[in-house]
Amino acid sequence: KAGVTQTPRYLIKTRGQQVTLSCSPISGHRSVSWYQQTPGQGLQFLFEYFSETQRNKGNFPGRFSGRQFSNSRSEMNVSTLELGDSALYLCASSLDQGLTDTQYFGPGTRLTVL
Amino acid sequence: SQQGEEDPQALSIQEGENATMNCSYKTSINNLQWYRQNSGRGLVHLILIRSNEREKHSGRLRVTLDTSKKSSSLLITASRAADTASYFCATDAIGNQFYFGTGTSLTVIP
Repeated sequence: KAGVTQTPRYLIKTRGQQVTLSCSPISGHRSVSWYQQTPGQGLQFLFEYFSETQRNKGNFPGRFSGRQFSNSRSEMNVSTLELGDSALYLCASSLDQGLTDTQYFGPGTRLTVL
Repeated sequence: SQQGEEDPQALSIQEGENATMNCSYKTSINNLQWYRQNSGRGLVHLILIRSNEREKHSGRLRVTLDTSKKSSSLLITASRAADTASYFCATDAIGNQFYFGTGTSLTVIP
């Protein structure tokens, strides 16, 4: 089976812009979670989607949003970018149980905000 | 603040030695997972231990969980240079929050 794929792999944006990142889960996986990784804050949970619904949410401002499509693919959007949003954004998929199950991570999207 | 804190922050050992890293967390959990991250393969799941389990093995990995102390340990036996990576614990906390620890950077010297 193909692993979790994320596009694009690298992205450069400027402050104030918005960005959309995409994640395709492993075939058959219905849960997709998103994480932000920075040197200062480490790995932080953003949100989890299951059956096109946000099932769990971390402590991030409303500028961070996501959605999931009927084929389980997910997108994450960040509006009004700030310098502090520069990070590696990771998506992970699991079968059904989401956070309580083994998660398989994609390679990440490296976002740089100038 | 992060749910998980790992200790030590960095560890350097010779190939063939055992490596032990510890994770402490703050609230009640459903399960605890260990992940490895290196530049070549990204974040890879190693092992999951549920809150009602005390010990679990997978190949050269041994994980223990002490829910009374809110702590876990990961033991890697007979380490190899390829084990060089950062290791993170991750907790699925009651209330459906998922937290990663701060990580232990392991260097295995050939």
